[in-house]
Amino acid sequence: GENVEQHPSTLSVQEGDSAVIKCTYSDSASNYFPWYKQELGKGPQLIIDIRSNVGEKKDQRIAVTLNKTAKHFSLHITETQPEDSAVYFCAVDSTLGRLYFGRGTQLTVWP
Amino acid sequence: NAGVTQTPKFQVLKTGQSMTLQCAQDMNHEYMSWYRQDPGMGLRLIHYSVGAGITDQGEVPNGYNVSRSTTEDFPLRLLSAAPSQTSVYFCASSYTLPSGSGGELFFGEGSRLTVL
Repeated sequence: GENVEQHPSTLSVQEGDSAVIKCTYSDSASNYFPWYKQELGKGPQLIIDIRSNVGEKKDQRIAVTLNKTAKHFSLHITETQPEDSAVYFCAVDSTLGRLYFGRGTQLTVWP
Repeated sequence: NAGVTQTPKFQVLKTGQSMTLQCAQDMNHEYMSWYRQDPGMGLRLIHYSVGAGITDQGEVPNGYNVSRSTTEDFPLRLLSAAPSQTSVYFCASSYTLPSGSGGELFFGEGSRLTVL
């Protein structure tokens, strides 16, 4: 199956700073790269995704960049706020429509 | 819309007992799946279904059974629970395959299972 590596596992930033989380994957045929946010006690929710025909995508303070040649993609959060504190998961699609998740990054934003 | 509903939210089992985690969605989604979440391991796919009557294995299927008799329901069965199955289980659904347009996964709130 797909091998998805996510770093760092924990990240602490001051409110207003930027946060970057990176994922690498192994299957060069993968085409879909979503990011999910999980708040405490809840299920994950999709926050942004990107497909292989696009290099970057932005949605307000959140952006995702993709480097297909190097097989890595990153989540960028600018002007972080305390409500951004959560666990973030990257994911990669594979054959038969399966979605493989990274191990997660616990982001803490200090006021 | 209630979205994805999982029951029970909490359950304690003894080794060897059986139980079923229920999952129902009211969004008319064709794709449904079960994941388990363990500390430091992320979300791992157990089983999934691309429509009523069709199921397939994910990354960690051993010890679990599923069936999909209706579009709405996708129960996960543990036939003989083991301590290694202590985890938080999430059911998720999407309109199409996760990699396709309309493939956003909607997750339930999770079921925390402890096997003693």
